[in-house]
Amino acid sequence: KQEVTQIPAALSVPEGENLVLNCSFTDSAIYNLQWFRQDPGKGLTSLLLIQSSQREQTSGRLNASLDKSSGRSTLYIAASQPGDSATYLCAVQTQGGSEKLVFGKGMKLTVNP
Amino acid sequence: NAGVMQNPRHLVRRRGQEARLRCSPMKGHSHVYWYRQLPEEGLKFMVYLQKENIIDESGMPKERFSAEFPKEGPSILRIQQVVRGDSAAYFCASSRGSETQYFGPGTRLLVL
Repeated sequence: KQEVTQIPAALSVPEGENLVLNCSFTDSAIYNLQWFRQDPGKGLTSLLLIQSSQREQTSGRLNASLDKSSGRSTLYIAASQPGDSATYLCAVQTQGGSEKLVFGKGMKLTVNP
Repeated sequence: NAGVMQNPRHLVRRRGQEARLRCSPMKGHSHVYWYRQLPEEGLKFMVYLQKENIIDESGMPKERFSAEFPKEGPSILRIQQVVRGDSAAYFCASSRGSETQYFGPGTRLLVL
């Protein structure tokens, strides 16, 4: 059974710091891994999707890497801003898992001005 | 191109009533997924549907919950005889299959 873990559960940093968010998963047989952002009371916004054959994806100040063999992914946020404050969720789609996503519990990020 | 639409956004029901949650996928998407987010917990998969077919319902509670995605119209998640423990945010996502899943804004169900 696939399990996804995100540690720590919360992080508070001053504006301008470069951040690394961690995600680990127990079953390395995945199709892809997605990072999402969720604002309070809102839905999920997809940030980056990494296919199992890829090592990383970049979008603006965001860079996500994937090490499938070790069951780890990191989301790197450069030059953090107060607007980056949100909960960040990691989710994997497992091979043979009917396309369902298995989510971590998320990491609540607060960037202080 | 409108995103995934869900309605209602907020729903209040008394114990024992029925709740019907609707989801309209993005244009061109034929795969629909329902997830539930309980307070202080992560999102949990409930059911995956394609038009007129349930593909995977391994995350659905065995009783009171059902889902459909008819040939015409939105996908419906129905909860019969709601209980307080059903209070949660219910999210719908859609995709073209094996690609990025796009999420709707969610329906927040409160059972009194």
